[in-house]
Amino acid sequence: GAVVSQHPSRVICKSGTSVKIECRSLDFQATTMFWYRQFPKQSLMLMATSNEGSKATYEQGVEKDKFLINHASLTLSTLTVTSAHPEDSSFYICSARDPRGETNEKLFFGSGTQLSVL
Amino acid sequence: DQQVKQNSPSLSVQEGRISILNCDYTNSMFDYFLWYKKYPAEGPTFLISISSIKDKNEDGRFTVFLNKSAKHLSLHIVPSQPGDSAVYFCAASAGGWGKLQFGAGTQVVVTP
Repeated sequence: GAVVSQHPSRVICKSGTSVKIECRSLDFQATTMFWYRQFPKQSLMLMATSNEGSKATYEQGVEKDKFLINHASLTLSTLTVTSAHPEDSSFYICSARDPRGETNEKLFFGSGTQLSVL
Repeated sequence: DQQVKQNSPSLSVQEGRISILNCDYTNSMFDYFLWYKKYPAEGPTFLISISSIKDKNEDGRFTVFLNKSAKHLSLHIVPSQPGDSAVYFCAASAGGWGKLQFGAGTQVVVTP
């Protein structure tokens, strides 16, 4: 079964509203989680690294005030898309690092969230 | 700037035959490479990996080949089975736990 749970799987919202996406590690405590974004027929692009108990590290070009990340516990990271606009419509996916591993072989992905902003 | 490229968006192969998926990278700092498999409505799952100290890694029906001089890797699936129909992502990192850079994926369809 899935070791990383992501919810919701799909969300439709009006422009200007905020949307929260949750990512939970089910079988391990994840001190590090990642958030990606994928446009159709393109690769997964890393948005930010979420570190438990500290501020997230954002990739170049990602607006930290628009994409709020909170990693309040060892099993939960949330991504909030604030004041969403149609151009934010995309597929968002999280991953969690199992600290018992030594490589990205132990990086587990959620099932993703398709966000559509009207 | 796309550092990992999968130039074939799709591949159709007959059941029992070999599937060959290709991936090219540009960053010479990459030293760890992974292939992920993704079914619809699910997240990517790890399939097989290779570090730059090797040129081949095999796991059952799956073999990954790495050509460092050409900055190219390939995934061979033999024999292909209907359950192999999925999107396959190539990914690379600098270091085993480095940030992953993904290719755009190749949709594989295995036909009976």
